[in-house]
Amino acid sequence: DAKTTQPPSMDCAEGRAANLPCNHSTISGNEYVYWYRQIHSQGPQYIIHGLKNNETNEMASLIITEDRKSSTLILPHATLRDTAVYYCIVTRSSNTGKLIFGQGTTLQVKP
Amino acid sequence: GAVVSQHPSRVICKSGTSVKIECRSLDFQATTMFWYRQFPKKSLMLMATSNEGSKATYEQGVEKDKFLINHASLTLSTLTVTSAHPEDSSFYICSAETGGSYNEQFFGPGTRLTVL
Repeated sequence: DAKTTQPPSMDCAEGRAANLPCNHSTISGNEYVYWYRQIHSQGPQYIIHGLKNNETNEMASLIITEDRKSSTLILPHATLRDTAVYYCIVTRSSNTGKLIFGQGTTLQVKP
Repeated sequence: GAVVSQHPSRVICKSGTSVKIECRSLDFQATTMFWYRQFPKKSLMLMATSNEGSKATYEQGVEKDKFLINHASLTLSTLTVTSAHPEDSSFYICSAETGGSYNEQFFGPGTRLTVL
C-alpha cells in the first residue's frame, strides 16, 4: 500500500472549515484513500473514502487531486468535538482489508 | 454504522498472568477481524488479522505464542495476552469488517491493559 504523509498538527477555529491535507504521491490506480479519526482514548471512527472523484457525506468532504497524488479532508464547520487525530490511509481496494496507520494529523479545534 | 464492542474496557493484572480481551460485532457478522495495539502518543499498530474458523495471520514481529487469537464465531474474536509483562501494557483495539460488496470496517472502543 502507498505511504501517506500528513502534517503532525493543525489548529482550527471553532465554526470555521478545517482542511486537512494528505500526500500520497506513490498511490497506484486501484488504491483508495480512506480517512479515519481517533478521539482521545477511543477506537478510530470512519469518516469517508474515495477513489478518484470528490466525495461528500454528512461528516466531511474529500477532495482528491486529478493526479491522485494528494487529497484534502474538509470538515466544513469544525466544532470542539472534532478535536482528534485524523488518519489518511491508502489501501488496495474498496474492501478495506488491513489498514496501516501512519502518524496522522492532530487537529485542535479552538473556541 | 455497525457497532463493535470490546470487553473489558480496562484491565489491570499482575505480571505473569494471562488476560483475555473479547471483540464482538453486535449487529453484523464479521468473517474478518483485526487486532491493533497502540502505545501512548503513538499510532495504531496492526498486530494480526483474524479470520473466522482459521488461524490468525500475524504481522512481522508479533509473537503468535504470546498473543493468542481465536475467532470461533462470526461475531466474536478473542485476544489473549499470555504471561503478561509491564511492557505489554497498551491500548488494544479491534476492528471488524462487514463484508459484502460495500465492505466497511468498524472499530471497537479499545481495551486499556495495565500490567503491574
